[in-house]
Amino acid sequence: DTAVSQTPKYLVTQMGNDKSIKCEQNLGHDTMYWYKQDSKKFLKIMFSYNNKELIINETVPNRFSPKSPDKAHLNLHINSLELGDSAVYFCASSPSKGTANQPQHFGDGTRLSIL
Amino acid sequence: GQQLNQSPQSMFIQEGEDVSMNCTSSSIFNTWLWYKQDPGEGPVLLIALYKAGELTSNGRLTAQFGITRKDSFLNISASIPSDVGIYFCAGTAGNNRKLIWGLGTSLAVNP
Repeated sequence: DTAVSQTPKYLVTQMGNDKSIKCEQNLGHDTMYWYKQDSKKFLKIMFSYNNKELIINETVPNRFSPKSPDKAHLNLHINSLELGDSAVYFCASSPSKGTANQPQHFGDGTRLSIL
Repeated sequence: GQQLNQSPQSMFIQEGEDVSMNCTSSSIFNTWLWYKQDPGEGPVLLIALYKAGELTSNGRLTAQFGITRKDSFLNISASIPSDVGIYFCAGTAGNNRKLIWGLGTSLAVNP
């Protein structure tokens, strides 16, 4: 009955590889997000999708490509992984329709470590 | 990117003590949200505030939307060990398109 679920929970990989993180929400929400949390715990918005349409793209390198096949799913593909990509990536969803003033529900995060 | 000033950065208190933390911005905000993050988990919403002056409680937690709309505080009364974690403030301004986050207050409670 998990509301926002992301897989995998842990991801350890070599520099230069390509990897994907998946996110699904069963809350019926219209908007989904990807955040990056660095070692200092700062939460940085990366992308936001409303009903499969990209609405926020926050100066993220184009190695990061989000894909939303339907409004319940938002996946993140990362090409040519770099050391600086090591972080915890959180998926979130909210009932808002394009705005961010409704509470967001977070997944448990994907811990990405680049060797 | 834009950030909120959240203080204190960390707190170490004795069980039973009350805790207060706040968040300030240089611009007017329309929404204030307070989240708690436990180790190994995602942030969880504690309290949402939508109106200047609004005071809302959730159990031992109380949060207020400042009258100037440039600040908010969170109080925890009679702290217990499970209050340990990182508390984040977040809010929206202008057209509410993006949630702006504070840097977090790390709380440790000594039993």
